[in-house]
Amino acid sequence: DQQVKQNSPSLSVQEGRISILNCDYTNSMFDYFLWYKKYPAEGPTFLISISSIKDKNEDGRFTVFLNKSAKHLSLHIVPSQPGDSAVYFCAASAVGGNNDMRFGAGTRLTVKP
Amino acid sequence: DAGVIQSPRHEVTEMGQEVTLRCKPISGHNSLFWYRQTMMRGLELLIYFNNNVPIDDSGMPEDRFSAKMPNASFSTLKIQPSEPRDSAVYFCASSPRLSGGNNEQFFGPGTRLTVL
Repeated sequence: DQQVKQNSPSLSVQEGRISILNCDYTNSMFDYFLWYKKYPAEGPTFLISISSIKDKNEDGRFTVFLNKSAKHLSLHIVPSQPGDSAVYFCAASAVGGNNDMRFGAGTRLTVKP
Repeated sequence: DAGVIQSPRHEVTEMGQEVTLRCKPISGHNSLFWYRQTMMRGLELLIYFNNNVPIDDSGMPEDRFSAKMPNASFSTLKIQPSEPRDSAVYFCASSPRLSGGNNEQFFGPGTRLTVL
């Protein structure tokens, strides 16, 4: 049962343009959402998060948007840089739960110079 | 801090053999997670521990898989007997919080398992 879904396995954008990665979830108990970035041969690293009390969180070139009614979140990277090329995982958890997290299948972003 | 440490980084074994993956979480973290990454299913949660106690092992695919956490600084994931379909990258992660607040998890570098 995939509670967190990333329907695009890959995305390719030109350097300098905006990258938009999407994520949908099904469990209405989720109230904390995270994006992780993974380079080859390394573990995922935390990138940015958002609580369900917000609809936007921005950190430099990275912005996460949350639409609770649609159970949808997205990660915007602007401007995209070649070093952003990686696999991006969306994750969700329930604050006050057991500290576990559910991940999507990941989207491989390629930023072309 | 050295971060989450996993060993071995790479493991190649033959079908039917026992495989043991090891993890040392970040000191002071009280939650530990085992994940498996495959092309088809992405990052799957296998099992996690809070304060060394297994909380949810519903992600463990079969009885061939078992995990232990004998103390706060060490955990193992064992596959016995191993099968070719177990080939994947296995990640261990730890988290400093039991519940509530920022649930950021810190991942190890992973163990790439190949079962021939």
